[in-house]
Amino acid sequence: RKEVEQDPGPFNVPEGATVAFNCTYSNSASQSFFWYRQDCRKEPKLLMSVYSSGNEDGRFTAQLNRASQYISLLIRDSKLSDSATYLCVVKGGGSNFGNEKLTFGTGTRLTIIP
Amino acid sequence: GAVVSQHPSWVICKSGTSVKIECRSLDFQATTMFWYRQFPKQSLMLMATSNEGSKATYEQGVEKDKFLINHASLTLSTLTVTSAHPEDSSFYICSAEQGKDTQYFGPGTRLTVL
Repeated sequence: RKEVEQDPGPFNVPEGATVAFNCTYSNSASQSFFWYRQDCRKEPKLLMSVYSSGNEDGRFTAQLNRASQYISLLIRDSKLSDSATYLCVVKGGGSNFGNEKLTFGTGTRLTIIP
Repeated sequence: GAVVSQHPSWVICKSGTSVKIECRSLDFQATTMFWYRQFPKQSLMLMATSNEGSKATYEQGVEKDKFLINHASLTLSTLTVTSAHPEDSSFYICSAEQGKDTQYFGPGTRLTVL
């Protein structure tokens, strides 16, 4: 089983729609959780951290469910510029190293259609 | 946000040659830097963790004698791919850690080995 699993998509969504991504992680010892976005042939960029209490940043809302080991990202009123690959990232609890390791999901590809 | 640079941004080399990639944190000091590799349509995979002034810690399956890492200062880590072969062609990305949770990524180096 992969340490971090995501639906690879692609998700093709009309502009203005709401889209939700899900992610599950296997190691209950994981400590920190993030969503990154990666544009084609570019480096990942931090979108937001994810907390159990849920957090919101403009059109983006992230949620963590530790009991289910499940992370979500909701994008409202999607824009063309939201087209990217969204990476679910978990820190800590890696299979081969200590607490500082980031483990990336394979990413969910999103395309916003005009 | 913090800035991390990489050099070169792309490199093409012949099989059997060695390639050095530099990763610099431009506006902060990073005790820990990380080297990742990303093959097409796959996620980032951590290769090694580089600690300033000490030996790097390699992930399972990554040959330390092939991927030489030097972290001589708090703002510079280098990755040398020795005797590169076509299967080493990939997107190599470094990150530098600022604070406890945040990793900032460099723009990546695209290596093509002919």
